[in-house]
Amino acid sequence: SQQGEEDPQALSIQEGENATMNCSYKTSINNLQWYRQNSGRGLVHLILIRSNEREKHSGRLRVTLDTSKKSSSLLITASRAADTASYFCATVPSGFGNEKLTFGTGTRLTIIP
Amino acid sequence: DTGVSQDPRHKITKRGQNVTFRCDPISEHNRLYWYRQTLGQGPEFLTYFQNEAQLEKSRLLSDRFSAERPKGSFSTLEIQRTEQGDSAMYLCASSLISQGISPSGSLNEQFFGPGTRLTVL
Repeated sequence: SQQGEEDPQALSIQEGENATMNCSYKTSINNLQWYRQNSGRGLVHLILIRSNEREKHSGRLRVTLDTSKKSSSLLITASRAADTASYFCATVPSGFGNEKLTFGTGTRLTIIP
Repeated sequence: DTGVSQDPRHKITKRGQNVTFRCDPISEHNRLYWYRQTLGQGPEFLTYFQNEAQLEKSRLLSDRFSAERPKGSFSTLEIQRTEQGDSAMYLCASSLISQGISPSGSLNEQFFGPGTRLTVL
């Protein structure tokens, strides 16, 4: 079953604008990860944030995590056409031994040139 | 190419036939995972291995599904008597479990293969 939901389900923006997508989850986590998936292909790992971190940056990506609200956001700055893809958050539950990823429903991002 | 590979990339089969997929993880990765993804949804966990041991299976993994990782390297996923509802993308991922410094346990960055798209007619 899906762990949570992502919002919005779909997002279209102009190239150069910033894109923000949100993820909510249900249980306590060890870490939360964001993945990108181009149409019909495998997933590419983007960034991992631990439960004791609140914000993390990687290039044009910024991820925040609010464990009290069980939510995370992914910001992509200065978007490019190549950023067009589906973005998924995935959580690893807290507690050693719970290693499987539980994915959200994804946000379909379209960058308009 | 040192990434995760999957074979075949596409498989079309008739209902009732058996199919087998193969996954080759990144070498030296001790964890291997199988996920299934249907159209418009996120991947759903099926099962995972640590080395050759299958440690967890999802309720999604019915009796018709079996996975193996005999030598702790590559893995196979077999679906017997396929049904139309089995049509999906089957994704394999691998990871190297290492202990984090926090008391909350280990990190788990998984690397995914390109997937095998199964169509059951």
